[in-house]
Amino acid sequence: AQSVTQLGSHVSVSEGALVLLRCNYSSSVPPYLFWYVQYPNQGLQLLLKYTSAATLVKGINGFEAEFKKSETSFHLTKPSAHMSDAAEYFCAVSLHNAGGTSYGKLTFGQGTILTVHP
Amino acid sequence: GAGVSQTPSNKVTEKGKYVELRCDPISGHTALYWYRQSLGQGPEFLIYFQGTGAADDSGLPNDRFFAVRPEGSVSTLKIQRTERGDSAVYLCASSYPGKGGNEQFFGPGTRLTVL
Repeated sequence: AQSVTQLGSHVSVSEGALVLLRCNYSSSVPPYLFWYVQYPNQGLQLLLKYTSAATLVKGINGFEAEFKKSETSFHLTKPSAHMSDAAEYFCAVSLHNAGGTSYGKLTFGQGTILTVHP
Repeated sequence: GAGVSQTPSNKVTEKGKYVELRCDPISGHTALYWYRQSLGQGPEFLIYFQGTGAADDSGLPNDRFFAVRPEGSVSTLKIQRTERGDSAVYLCASSYPGKGGNEQFFGPGTRLTVL
C-alpha cells in the first residue's frame, strides 16, 4: 500500500518569498507522484507530475518539484510567491505496472493551505 | 471543450434518505473515478471505472454505497440510508489512461450534507 504525508497543514509566506511545500511518500515500488492545487470553490487542477523521467519536474505557474528517492520526498517549490498562489495544495501518489501503465487510483496527502501576505 | 461536470453542486438530505450524484466525464475519457473529500482532508478514493466496469471498488466504505456507469460515459454514485457521517464533497475525475501517469481531470464536486 502507498501513503503520502504532507508536513505542515498551513504555510504562510510573504509575496515574493520562496514557497516550499513538503511531501513524503511511502511505497513498496517507485510510484508516480503528482501535485494538485485547489482554489476555493474550484476543482483540483494538476500542477505537475513525476513519471520516472527527469527527477526535476517543472509545472505550471512557475512551480517545480524534485523527486528524491533516497529521501522518499517530492517537495514543491516556487522561487517567488504571488498573491494568486494562495490555495490548497495536495500531493498524490499512484502505482503503475512494469510497463508504465498507471493503476489509476490516486492516494492523496491531507493538503497544505498556502497563504500569501503582502 | 467542456470539463468534468457534476450535478447537483449541492445536496441536502435527511438521515436515512437515498441520494444519487451524477458525473459527466470529459468526452473520450475511458477512465472515471469517484473520490470523497471530508472537511480538512485530502480526497479519498472510492471507485474506479474502466469503460462500463468497475476496475477497483476497494474504496467504497460499505454496501450502502454503489456506483454505475452503464454506457461507459456518465456515472452515478448512489448512497442508500444516508448517515450524517456521509456528509462530504464527492469528487469525480476522468482520464484517458496509459503509460507515463494518467492525468486525472476533476470536476467541481457535489457537496452532500446529511441532516
